[in-house]
Amino acid sequence: EAAVTQSPRNKVTVTGGNVTLSCRQTNSHNYMYWYRQDTGHGLRLIHYSYGAGNLQIGDVPDGYKATRTTQEDFFLLLELASPSQTSLYFCASRTANSDYTFGSGTRLLVI
Amino acid sequence: QQKVQQSPESLSVPEGGMASLNCTSSDHNFQYFWWYRQHSGEGPKALMSIFSDGDKKEGRFTAHLNKASLHVSLHIRDSQPSDSALYFCAAPMNYNQGKLIFGQGTKLSIKP
Repeated sequence: EAAVTQSPRNKVTVTGGNVTLSCRQTNSHNYMYWYRQDTGHGLRLIHYSYGAGNLQIGDVPDGYKATRTTQEDFFLLLELASPSQTSLYFCASRTANSDYTFGSGTRLLVI
Repeated sequence: QQKVQQSPESLSVPEGGMASLNCTSSDHNFQYFWWYRQHSGEGPKALMSIFSDGDKKEGRFTAHLNKASLHVSLHIRDSQPSDSALYFCAAPMNYNQGKLIFGQGTKLSIKP
């Protein structure tokens, strides 16, 4: 069964801290996405990728970097975390014509 | 601004009743829609997609699309407590099919 695994499940960091969220998919999907979920805003796209080494800017990219090291692995980097980045983060993958497969999410708290 | 708007924000339906969720797009580039469902503590999961005008039925779930008015709805008949979840409508940007735009979600509660 298609799977997207995110780590860590929960993370607490201080303002100004450095955080890396990890995502691995075993679906052989080309497309991978990072979304943040906040009440009243739904899911908002941060960054996405069409394949290893490819990066595309999403709708709310400020304060975030991403890197797609392999077909399977997509990372989201917060180099100077701020309280406004406290959120629930989801990674997803898909092929060109399929629906999204989401991970279980990473809950990030920036204090 | 949000290009996919959902209503209502929350909805409470008695068990066995009919739940109706709505979604409107402000962009004529959106050619088809997805409905996703998210149970508490989990990631969203695709329920169904609809590409053509009219109804699409999958079990207790029926989606209806009106492309002219950019409106899509989801109807759940014989609602079960397990249907309690957050429901998202989503549409791909036509010029960039890899990118799904999600609405803000409707929280559905089914009361036993």
